Order: sequence, then structure tokens, then C-alpha cells
Amino acid sequence: AQSVSQHNHHVILSEAASLELGCNYSYGGTVNLFWYVQYPGQHLQLLLKYFSGDPLVKGIKGFEAEFIKSKFSFNLRKPSVQWSDTAEYFCAVNAGTGNQFYFGTGTSLTVIP
Amino acid sequence: ETGVTQSPTHLIKTRGQQVTLRCSSQSGHNTVSWYQQALGQGPQFIFQYYREEENGRGNFPPRFSGLQFPNYSSELNVNALELDDSALYLCASSPLSGSTADTQYFGPGTRLTVL
Repeated sequence: AQSVSQHNHHVILSEAASLELGCNYSYGGTVNLFWYVQYPGQHLQLLLKYFSGDPLVKGIKGFEAEFIKSKFSFNLRKPSVQWSDTAEYFCAVNAGTGNQFYFGTGTSLTVIP
Repeated sequence: ETGVTQSPTHLIKTRGQQVTLRCSSQSGHNTVSWYQQALGQGPQFIFQYYREEENGRGNFPPRFSGLQFPNYSSELNVNALELDDSALYLCASSPLSGSTADTQYFGPGTRLTVL
């Protein structure tokens, strides 16, 4: 069965620290990859997505993610986090056939001022 | 632009009962997806509706069913409720082609508790 793994369940960083959240998926076919974010008290919203082309994707608020096909990975990065980045981050995969959509279990990020 | 809304906010049911959850899509969106999010887990895809037809389904039994109406509002129906159905149910709408690859706009969810 297809799955999405997020290895970091809870990350705590100080402001200005660099961030990298891991995401691996298990699906051998064509995939579209996403990072969604849920800020405290808000709805899930799209941070960035990869469909094809340049494997380095830039999203909102200075986030970026790199698709490494050989590693089945789509890690999220930000060079310098801010307190306002405190949120739950979800990696997700759309598997081409069957219109399936899979979320990871999420990573809770806490940024300390 | 009106966002995705869901009703009710919270609901308590007993095992064996049936429940209907409602979703109003964002204006102009013709596709709606439903997700179940158990505590501490990521959302799990239940199904998607596009132009009033089911257009993709996750690993959920047939007692989970849905409807999409011509105005693109939607319902999720769950029959014969089980304790494990206790979760946050999320609705998401998207504007384009009936694919889960479209950007999805999520509602606030309905918290269902089954006793």
C-alpha cells in the first residue's frame, strides 16, 4: 500500500535556525507532491507543490522543498525560521492512478522566540 | 470570496447510529474531497466528488457514502457508526478538474465523537 512517512514528529527550534523536515513516500509511479501547513486555529492550507520540472520548488513564506526521485523524498526546508512558522506541517502525495491522495502523520514545529 | 464551511462543528453519536456531515464548497469550486483525521494522525482520504459523481475513493468501507449537489455543496454519510469513527472530518474543495492533484482548500472540520 502507498504510504507517506514523516520521520520528525515534533521539532523545536529557536528563531533564525534552519529547518528541514523529512518526507518519504512509497509509490513507484507518477506522483504529485505537496506540503500543507496548519497554523494554530486555522485551516489546512497549501504551502507548496511539485508536479514536474525543476525538482526544487519554492512556496509561500520562504519555504522550499526538493524532490529527489531516487530517494522517494520531498523534504521541506527554510533557511531561517520565525516564531510565526509555529504550525503543523503535512507532507502529501497524489498518486496518479485512482485519484488517491495520501497525507503523512504530520510534524509539529515549535519556534521559540 | 467565501471559504469552505462545514456543519455542524461538533457532534456526538452512539454506536450503531447514522450521521450526516455537511460541507459548502468555496465559490466556483466544482470538486470536493472528504478526509478523516484521527487524533495525532494525518488526514486520510475518504473520497472525492466531481460534478456530482464519486471520482476517487480511499480505503473506507461502503458505509461511508457521499453526495454532491448541483450547487457543489456536499454531504458525508456514515452508517452503523463504530467507536473508531470518532475523528475530525475535513472537507476540501478545489476549482478545476476533479483531481486530488489540484490545490485543495480545507474547511474547519466537524468533530465527531461516537460513544
